[in-house]
Amino acid sequence: EAQVTQNPRYLITVTGKKLTVTCSQNMNHEYMSWYRQDPGLGLRQIYYSMNVEVTDKGDVPEGYKVSRKEKRNFPLILESPSPNQTSLYFCASSRQGGTIYFGEGSWLTVV
Amino acid sequence: AQTVTQSQPEMSVQEAETVTLSCTYDTSESDYYLFWYKQPPSRQMILVIRQEAYKQQNATENRFSVNFQKAAKSFSLKISDSQLGDAAMYFCAYRRGANNLFFGTGTRLTVIP
Repeated sequence: EAQVTQNPRYLITVTGKKLTVTCSQNMNHEYMSWYRQDPGLGLRQIYYSMNVEVTDKGDVPEGYKVSRKEKRNFPLILESPSPNQTSLYFCASSRQGGTIYFGEGSWLTVV
Repeated sequence: AQTVTQSQPEMSVQEAETVTLSCTYDTSESDYYLFWYKQPPSRQMILVIRQEAYKQQNATENRFSVNFQKAAKSFSLKISDSQLGDAAMYFCAYRRGANNLFFGTGTRLTVIP
């Protein structure tokens, strides 16, 4: 079954404590990206990757890092989380120009 | 820069009736894709329908259809014979670059029994 898997699905953490949200896809997709969803703002792209070792900033990259060492994985790293990074996060993957598959979302609360 | 505007934060429809959700966008590109996504309370992102800008024919998927007006940069979603399961947040999205999506702010649809 085609899947984009995110972990953790729910997390409460404290300000400044580094965390990583993992994303893995089993479809051999070249393209992966991260979005955050906030009330009244829709989904906004954080970072994207067009292939292994190729990443670029989206619209709201501040406070986030990513890496793409393997084709299937695209972790989102918050080096020093702050309360304004409390949000619902989505990972997505696709072939170029193909259907975009979304993960189930990760709820992150920073206190 | 591309923008996507959904001017209706909330809409409601009687069960079995028809509702239209509005979306306008701005772009300088001539070839692009537009999408409607449904997000139920589970927060899962579900693709409802897609439209290629180079196609004049409006896309249709069962009870869902679009009215794509390229010159006016308008992309509305019509839901016919509304069902309780259609209640959700609906997002209009524009695809830019290889596969980046730019979303509107969403319209919350309530279906009244």
